[in-house]
Parts: sequence; C-alpha cells; structure tokens
Amino acid sequence: GDSVTQMEGPVTLSEEAFLTINCTYTATGYPSLFWYVQYPGEGLQLLLKATKADDKGSNKGFEATYRKETTSFHLEKGSVQVSDSAVYFCALSEAGYSTLTFGKGTMLLVSP
Amino acid sequence: AAGVIQSPRHLIKEKRETATLKCYPIPRHDTVYWYQQGPGQDPQFLISFYEKMQSDKGSIPDRFSAQQFSDYHSELNMSSLELGDSALYFCASSLGSGNQPQHFGDGTRLSIL
Repeated sequence: GDSVTQMEGPVTLSEEAFLTINCTYTATGYPSLFWYVQYPGEGLQLLLKATKADDKGSNKGFEATYRKETTSFHLEKGSVQVSDSAVYFCALSEAGYSTLTFGKGTMLLVSP
Repeated sequence: AAGVIQSPRHLIKEKRETATLKCYPIPRHDTVYWYQQGPGQDPQFLISFYEKMQSDKGSIPDRFSAQQFSDYHSELNMSSLELGDSALYFCASSLGSGNQPQHFGDGTRLSIL
C-alpha cells in the first residue's frame, strides 16, 4: 500500500536558519503530493502541493519539488521564523482518489 | 473566507456512551472526509462522502457510522465508546473528488473517561 516516510523530529533551529524536512513516498500509481502544517491546538492547513514530476510547490517561503526518480518531496525554507514552529505533515493521494495518506509528522521548533 | 466548521470543539464522554460529531464543509464543497488523529500520531483516514454517497472507506470501526446530508454537512456517529477512541477527529472538505486540495477544520477533541 501507499506510505509516506518523514524524518523524525523534533527539528530544532535558530531563527533565520535553513530548513529541510525530508519526505519520501511509496505509491503504486502517480500520486499528488502535499505538505500540511499543524499549529498547536489547530487543524491541518495545506501549505503547498505538487501534482506531477518536477512540479515545485511553494507558499510563504516554503518550497518542495516533486522528484519522481527519488520518490521524494522534501520541504525547504531559506530562513525560518519563530512563527514557523509547528508540526509538518507530508501526504499523498493516489491519482483519481482523494484519500490522503500522511507521514508521521515532523515537529519544528524555532528559537529566537 | 469561510472554513470548515466542526462541532463541538471538545467532547468528554464515558466508556460505552455514544457521541455525534458534526462537520459543516466550506460552501459549495461537495466532498467530506473524516480523519482520526491519536496523540502524537498522524491523521488516519476513516471515511469520505461525495454528493451524499459514501465514496471511500478507511480504518473506521464498525461501531462508528457517518453520513452526509442534503445540505452537505456530515455527522460521525460513534457508539460503545472505548478509551482508545480518545483522539482528535478532523473533518475536511473539497470541491469534487480526485486530488482536489482538502481543507481541514480545527477538529473535535474527544476524551473518553
């Protein structure tokens, strides 16, 4: 079945540091890939998405590129802020289906 | 912009009781999904509805049932509650099915005593 593997957290960074959260996936078809963010006590917010190979999703300074050859969708940000502290979930949905399969989530903690 | 509304935000029940969670999707969204997120876990898909018909089924226990009504809101009914049902229950909605972005509500935190 489909699965998503994320790097374990917490990831602890100082403000303005570079962020990478690794995500790899296993899927039988040609999935769409997503990053969701969950702030404490809140629901999941769609951060960015990519629907085909080599697509780059971007939003609020975050970027991720759909790499089919390495089955990866790593999240990056050039300069993190304290307000970016949250849990980040990588997810996929198979082509033609909408059910999301999530990774375990990676907690990001940014200190001033 | 209007978001997905879930009620109640918090719910405390005892073992063997029943609970009903409600979800109001974003206006004009016709697809609703339910997910269960245990403490420190990733969300697990339970069930989804498209145009008031069940469209997909995940790891939903037989003790749970759900439906989508004519106004597209959905309810998750949970019976014979167990301690292990304590979790955050999310509803998400999308316009159509098939890889459309899902927009999540803030969840209902269910605690079983």
